[in-house]
Amino acid sequence: SQKIEQNSEALNIQEGKTATLTCNYTNYSPAYLQWYRQDPGRGPVFLLLIRENEKGKRKERLKVTFDTTLKQSLFHITASQPADSATYLCALGDDKIIFGKGTRLHILP
Amino acid sequence: GAVVSQHPSWVICKSGTSVKIECRSLDFQATTMFWYRQFPKQSLMLMATSNEGSKATYEQGVEKDKFLINHASLTLSTLTVTSAHPEDSSFYICSARPIQRYEQYFGPGTRLTVT
Repeated sequence: SQKIEQNSEALNIQEGKTATLTCNYTNYSPAYLQWYRQDPGRGPVFLLLIRENEKGKRKERLKVTFDTTLKQSLFHITASQPADSATYLCALGDDKIIFGKGTRLHILP
Repeated sequence: GAVVSQHPSWVICKSGTSVKIECRSLDFQATTMFWYRQFPKQSLMLMATSNEGSKATYEQGVEKDKFLINHASLTLSTLTVTSAHPEDSSFYICSARPIQRYEQYFGPGTRLTVT
């Protein structure tokens, strides 16, 4: 069955550094991969979508890569800030998407 | 842009009663809306896919007679939890996908507590 793994349940990063989150998947060949941010008690917020034929995409301080050979996506937040602290969800698919469990990111001041 | 509202944001009901949750896309049209539930520290679990003007598609294990979904227009979908029981207590979140797009925009969620 399709499986999505996000590298760690929680990640602590010093403010100003780059946070890198990993998403690995198996038994799936998605055409699209997406990243969302979720704050406690709130619905997820869409951040970025990357297509299988795109190696990378940027949006302000966010950068995502999509390696269909490794079946992996890396999500980077550069110049991280305490306000970036949240849970980040990787999601795969197009018509119907499957979410990973997420990584709780803490940016330490 | 791409705002989705959800109402109510929280509701407490007695066991055996029904609760309706509304999901609206405020500034875009969505032929497809999705309903999820989420338990604490768990991932989003897709319950059903709702297409405007047609019957919803339910995920395996989700009782369609218990979770009634109606998608009457391109901006409104409703989820009715019928004969609610305490085990139905959860965080319910809807999302809407703009026409010809693949990303989803989520509502703020509804916290349902069944006593």
